[in-house]
Amino acid sequence: ILNVEQSPQSLHVQEGDSTNFTCSFPSSNFYALHWYRWETAKSPEALFVMTLNGDEKKKGRISATLNTKEGYSYLYIKGSQPEDSATYLCAPGLGWGKLQFGAGTQVVVTP
Amino acid sequence: EPEVTQTPSHQVTQMGQEVILRCVPISNHLYFYWYRQILGQKVEFLVSFYNNEISEKSEIFDDQFSVERPDGSNFTLKIRSTKLEDSAMYFCASSEVGGLKETQYFGPGTRLLVL
Repeated sequence: ILNVEQSPQSLHVQEGDSTNFTCSFPSSNFYALHWYRWETAKSPEALFVMTLNGDEKKKGRISATLNTKEGYSYLYIKGSQPEDSATYLCAPGLGWGKLQFGAGTQVVVTP
Repeated sequence: EPEVTQTPSHQVTQMGQEVILRCVPISNHLYFYWYRQILGQKVEFLVSFYNNEISEKSEIFDDQFSVERPDGSNFTLKIRSTKLEDSAMYFCASSEVGGLKETQYFGPGTRLLVL
């Protein structure tokens, strides 16, 4: 079982501000990192799958970077909007499709 | 857009009773998964399933748990004799192909409460 840490646990952002948060994981035996966005009462939504050191992925105003050598990934939200309010989960992929989730970062965007 | 569906959305049961949680994965997907989240804890992997066999299971997935694909569309998780500590949100997921680089698509979950 990997130790997957996400920080901060929660953050409040003013509408229009940009923000970022971290997912840390053991760098040895790294294969892939998944990011999900999870709104209350909805299905977790897949954002990115990242595999290569230095990888950068983007979806609208959300982007993510990956550093496999030091074992971390940043997720950025540019110009936060109220609809970005959600819990963002990261999960290294292990074994045959097994995802090991972090505890998540809860983002609250206030108008 | 295709999505994973789960029924029921909520289930309340008495300790010791059997429950079956149902999932309809995305139609062309071949790999299926169950995860759970106990309130206040991380989402945990339970089991992966392919070609009518369990591919991998966690320590949580003991003899009280079983999975089945009874027909071409449903994927079920059965808990034979529920315990209080089985209370959790149970998520089904599916992917088109297997492997740890493949996107898994999640359903909305079934909230199970064991009394």
